[in-house]
Amino acid sequence: GENVEQHPSTLSVQEGDSAVIKCTYSDSASNYFPWYKQELGKRPQLIIDIRSNVGEKKDQRIAVTLNKTAKHFSLHITETQPEDSAVYFCAAKGDSSYKLIFGSGTRLLVRP
Amino acid sequence: EAGVAQSPRYKIIEKRQSVAFWCNPISGHATLYWYQQILGQGPKLLIQFQNNGVVDDSQLPKDRFSAERLKGVDSTLKIQPAKLEDSAVYLCASSLDSSGRTGELFFGEGSRLTVL
Repeated sequence: GENVEQHPSTLSVQEGDSAVIKCTYSDSASNYFPWYKQELGKRPQLIIDIRSNVGEKKDQRIAVTLNKTAKHFSLHITETQPEDSAVYFCAAKGDSSYKLIFGSGTRLLVRP
Repeated sequence: EAGVAQSPRYKIIEKRQSVAFWCNPISGHATLYWYQQILGQGPKLLIQFQNNGVVDDSQLPKDRFSAERLKGVDSTLKIQPAKLEDSAVYLCASSLDSSGRTGELFFGEGSRLTVL
């Protein structure tokens, strides 16, 4: 079955710096890759997603890149702000599988 | 638009007792998911419904966990008997996409279970 690995588990950056979180997936048939943000004690919420027919997608300070050959995708946050502090989860879903499999999460801390 | 509703928000029980969680998805959403999130880990899919049919329950410990989705709307997740390792947040989510293949998942606030 699909397996999603996420790194790093924790990330601390200075406000204004960039943050990068990386994920790899095992199922080459995976074609949908969302990223969720979970603030402390809150529900996970979708922040950006990408499908396998594109290599990059950007939404203001957030971007996601996908390398299908290497089976990895990354979340890039530029000009980080304290409110970006949260746990970020990547996920992957294949066309033949209905299951959305999550990574183990990255705890991002943005220091003021 | 109302979000995914879950209850109870918190539950503390002793091992070997039973517990039930309830979820009301967003109106019109065909797909409903139950995830288990253990502290410090990512959500793990327990069961996925398409309308009132089960699409995937391969990760559901069927000797103690059961779930149903009546009339393709509300869902309940039951644990009987509970074990210490069942302590987790149980997240319900729903998505509009009827194929279940893509589309944003909308999560509820979760039900936090503590088993003593």
